[in-house]
Formats: sequence, structure tokens, C-alpha cells
Amino acid sequence: DGGITQSPKYLFRKEGQNVTLSCEQNLNHDAMYWYRQDPGQGLRLIYYSQIVNDFQKGDIAEGYSVSREKKESFPLTVTSAQKNPTAFYLCGSGGVNTEAFFGQGTRLTVV
Amino acid sequence: QKEVEQNSGPLSVPEGAIASLNCTYSDRGSQSFFWYRQYSGKSPELIMFIYSNGDKEDGRFTAQLNKASQYVSLLIRDSQPSDSATYLCAVGRASKIIFGSGTRLSIRP
Repeated sequence: DGGITQSPKYLFRKEGQNVTLSCEQNLNHDAMYWYRQDPGQGLRLIYYSQIVNDFQKGDIAEGYSVSREKKESFPLTVTSAQKNPTAFYLCGSGGVNTEAFFGQGTRLTVV
Repeated sequence: QKEVEQNSGPLSVPEGAIASLNCTYSDRGSQSFFWYRQYSGKSPELIMFIYSNGDKEDGRFTAQLNKASQYVSLLIRDSQPSDSATYLCAVGRASKIIFGSGTRLSIRP
């Protein structure tokens, strides 16, 4: 069953905690992306990666970190430095410089 | 100026009519152009991509690209109630994809 799997679907974080959002793909895609979406807004790019062990900051990388140790996996850590982390997080993958496909998303809420 | 601009809407179109969605982009180095549909609470779904100037048709959808004017559009023919959603324009350049804020489309019976 091919696709992009994000987990968990819902995540609650206490103030000052770090949390990690999982993203796995079995589509053999080279490129992977993390976006954040706030209510009524478009997607804003957090980090992207075109190849294993390499990634670049997007427009809103502050307070987030990623790793790309395997082609299939691109986890996102939301650190305590991110002051307003409540949002819908979307992970995408695709070929380099081609279209991206998305997982089902993770809704993160600070409690 | 935002890199990818869309009218937020809502755009209201009668069932069976043509819906026209527009998008402009600021970076002339942009190489690839995408339209995604997003239903409330769901993740975006790719519906069209276009790389060259001109029109590209797929079923009821037509994407139009004019690089000289830095303009991309999406036409939806024979609009159906199931087309009611937010449509996101996205632009690819330098190995990343940048999204507009989306246009909310409502198809009225």
C-alpha cells in the first residue's frame, strides 16, 4: 500500500515540550517537505530535503528541526523555541522539481 | 509582496457554470506550476500541473500558464457541488514549492 504516512494524526503538547512528528513514504521519492498551515491560510514551508543527509530551511524554520537519515523518513521536531506551534502540519514528497503529494497531516495543539 | 498571490474569495459559481481561478507569482525563475484542491480539514490533493506556456486540459479542468505575465489560472467546466473547496496555487523553483494562500470556491445549486 504505497503512500505517505504521517503520525500521529492528533498531538497535544505541553508548554516547553519538544515533540516529533513522523513522516514516512514508500514511493521512492527523493524530495520531502514539511509545511505548516494555520486556519484560513495557505501552506508555509518549514524545511525541505532533496537527498539523504541534506536539507534546507524554508520560510519559517525557526523553532523547528529535521533530519533525513533515510530516504523514506523525514521527521520534524517542534522545539520549545517555537512559541506558537498550534497548527496543521503537512508532510509531502515527490520527485526533485516536480509535484508533491501529501500525507493526511498532523494536528498539533498546545495545552 | 507575497511570492504567490491568489484572491482569497469566496468565489461563488452556479452549478454547471465555469469556475475561473487565478494566481500570479513574483519570481521569473519559477519553473513548475501546480493546482491543489483542499477540502476542509483534509490535506491538499494535486489536480493539475503545468510546466510550459499554454493550456493543459484534464477532464473538466484546464490549467493555463503565461510566463511573460507571470500568471497561472485554473478553469473548472461544468462545476459540481463536489468542487466546493479551497484551491491552492503552488509554484516550484530552486527545489522547493511555494504555495499561495488559496481561493475558496463555492458551487451553488
